[in-house]
Amino acid sequence: QSALTQPRSVSGSPGQSVTISCTGTSSDVGGYNYVSWYQQYPGKAPKVMIYDVNKRPSGVPDRFSGSKSGNTASLTISGLQAEDEADYYCCSYAGSYTYVFGTGTKVTVL
Amino acid sequence: EVQLVESGGGLVQPGGSLRLSCAASGFTFNTYWMHWVRQAPGKGLVWVSRLNGDGSSTSYADSVKGRFTISRDNAKNTLYLQMNSLRAEDTAVYYCARDTKYQPDYWGQGTLVTVSS
Repeated sequence: QSALTQPRSVSGSPGQSVTISCTGTSSDVGGYNYVSWYQQYPGKAPKVMIYDVNKRPSGVPDRFSGSKSGNTASLTISGLQAEDEADYYCCSYAGSYTYVFGTGTKVTVL
Repeated sequence: EVQLVESGGGLVQPGGSLRLSCAASGFTFNTYWMHWVRQAPGKGLVWVSRLNGDGSSTSYADSVKGRFTISRDNAKNTLYLQMNSLRAEDTAVYYCARDTKYQPDYWGQGTLVTVSS
């Protein structure tokens, strides 16, 4: 049950794109298409932004997109906006009804 | 509207016990798996436990196995987490979250548990 590996921080200017990686193993990210991404503002609850690797819940801007290749999932934010500055976490099902979260990435809008 | 409201957090001494509750509304509670996820101050999210809809199947992170027990009362639309033998490293905000297809979707606002003498 080791945490998935994410970069500690990423940054970009308004309008640019940033990508956050989430690296696991064949027992979690690589083994299932149950990868989700969460946005969290300080002191607030997480909010789901992506589920099933690349699906967006209703109400989430299409600037947010997800993908997966092998044991690594990715979240891309296109057309970065000031309101996107937050912490982002990936999560994967890890089999036997267990789950694992990523280490978290702080997105800074320059 | 889906709502999850946690309660029961507070200050407890090492070795002590605490029971958290999560009141659910806005969806058919007994048809959804539920999770507890925690976040230590300034740290990341960590999955703690999962329970299926009728309460018959549980799973736990290794760090809490044997000390924490997840349960639910579907008549009261409430999820619980009984925490025993608490340690300083259990200090965290505890969130309950609904599960849809092996992924947490809706989250509560969290309740803070502080383990300290």
